[in-house]
Amino acid sequence: DIQMTQSPSSLSASVGDRVTITCRASQSISSYVNWYQQKPGKAPKVMIYAASSLQSGVPSRFSGSGSGTDFILTISSLQPEDFATYYCQESYSTTWTFGQGTKVEIK
Amino acid sequence: QVQLVQSGSEVKKPGASVKVSCKASGYTFINYYIFWVRQAPGQGLEWMGIINPSGDSTTYAQKFQGRVTMTRDTSASTVYMELSSLRSEDTAVYYCARAYSTSSELDYWGQGTLVTVSS
Repeated sequence: DIQMTQSPSSLSASVGDRVTITCRASQSISSYVNWYQQKPGKAPKVMIYAASSLQSGVPSRFSGSGSGTDFILTISSLQPEDFATYYCQESYSTTWTFGQGTKVEIK
Repeated sequence: QVQLVQSGSEVKKPGASVKVSCKASGYTFINYYIFWVRQAPGQGLEWMGIINPSGDSTTYAQKFQGRVTMTRDTSASTVYMELSSLRSEDTAVYYCARAYSTSSELDYWGQGTLVTVSS
């Protein structure tokens, strides 16, 4: 099975900060990575699909990059509504593995 | 608008089964796969399985093989997930979500169904 390893598991940041979250796959998965945002008590919401495509309605401060095994989610200027947990997910294999999540907290 | 509406919370005893429904609306039901994902309290997301409402084919995570069954009723645009032999570790919020293909993102999610397993 493909393993998806996210780092860091949590981070503290201030409004306006640039934030990067990394996801590493245990084998090459081309660009089959999606990023989700989840707020407490809510269902996840897709932010980035196919590694770098911005989901409709998602603010442009969110971006994704990478291919093969290494992927990055970037928030260019953190806003109050961005404090949440973020998950990467591979859609390359038939196990659709999620990363363990990165909690973005207010500093 | 696209909606996935799940059935309500359940409390079950160890060893029992639970069946959660996911009713789709706002799109052509058979054109999208339905995934099931669960989240234990304070934990991350765990993929359980996928059903193709068009042909009724399923793929289950190895961890749940033999305990999970996913079915669909195309006339009701509804997918069901049944988990048997419940244990306390199955206490979680269960989500359904749709994807256009098996390599696509999960673009719409249900609201989640809390299943509590307790004696």
